[in-house]
Amino acid sequence: NAGVMQNPRHLVRRRGQEARLRCSPMKGHSHVYWYRQLPEEGLKFMVYLQKENIIDESGMPKERFSAEFPKEGPSILRIQQVVRGDSAAYFCASSPFSAGVLTSVRSYEQYFGPGTRLTVT
Amino acid sequence: QKEVEQNSGPLSVPEGAIASLNCTYSDRGSQSFFWYRQYSGKSPELIMFIYSNGDKEDGRFTAQLNKASQYVSLLIRDSQPSDSATYLCAVNIGWAQGAQKLVFGQGTRLTINP
Repeated sequence: NAGVMQNPRHLVRRRGQEARLRCSPMKGHSHVYWYRQLPEEGLKFMVYLQKENIIDESGMPKERFSAEFPKEGPSILRIQQVVRGDSAAYFCASSPFSAGVLTSVRSYEQYFGPGTRLTVT
Repeated sequence: QKEVEQNSGPLSVPEGAIASLNCTYSDRGSQSFFWYRQYSGKSPELIMFIYSNGDKEDGRFTAQLNKASQYVSLLIRDSQPSDSATYLCAVNIGWAQGAQKLVFGQGTRLTINP
């Protein structure tokens, strides 16, 4: 029963390069969330995706960051032209279900992957 | 006011005692509350979730929720040195508007002293 998988676990990029972070959700989960944890700071929501759809990207920086979750394959968080401030741990989480405002079902638990630690030199 | 607030600690508890971790949240419409444990350099691990007012027990852990006071807590009984970690409170803020994101508190660093 594989958990959430992320790769690479560690990624070093020079300023100006691109970083691609991958996440495969738990089996049976179709909802993916990306969070960022800056050194000595809390976890911050970035984006919520379902297959082929971005549902909520309210936490994504307006520039250089993008995310996708294609019909086939893992979810990708892409950071273009990285800067030193992008150095952080990026965590992906998945859940089996979601709720909408029209239903009475609550949100379900999110399970986290091991994270990708990005270092920008 | 922060959306989710925790006492950052550090909280030091002797082995075998009860550790009590507290969290308050701002969104009165929130319905889902989670406690995660995070060891240094590792990812958050879900240890408890609670949706209804009252207590929920799972082994040595008890989560308590009081929606009227917008307060959620985690009790750890018979604390062990392996419980030493940062505990993160997470709330689904904005659920009433259809949001699914978790908003995390800053975390409380817990140390269990042998």
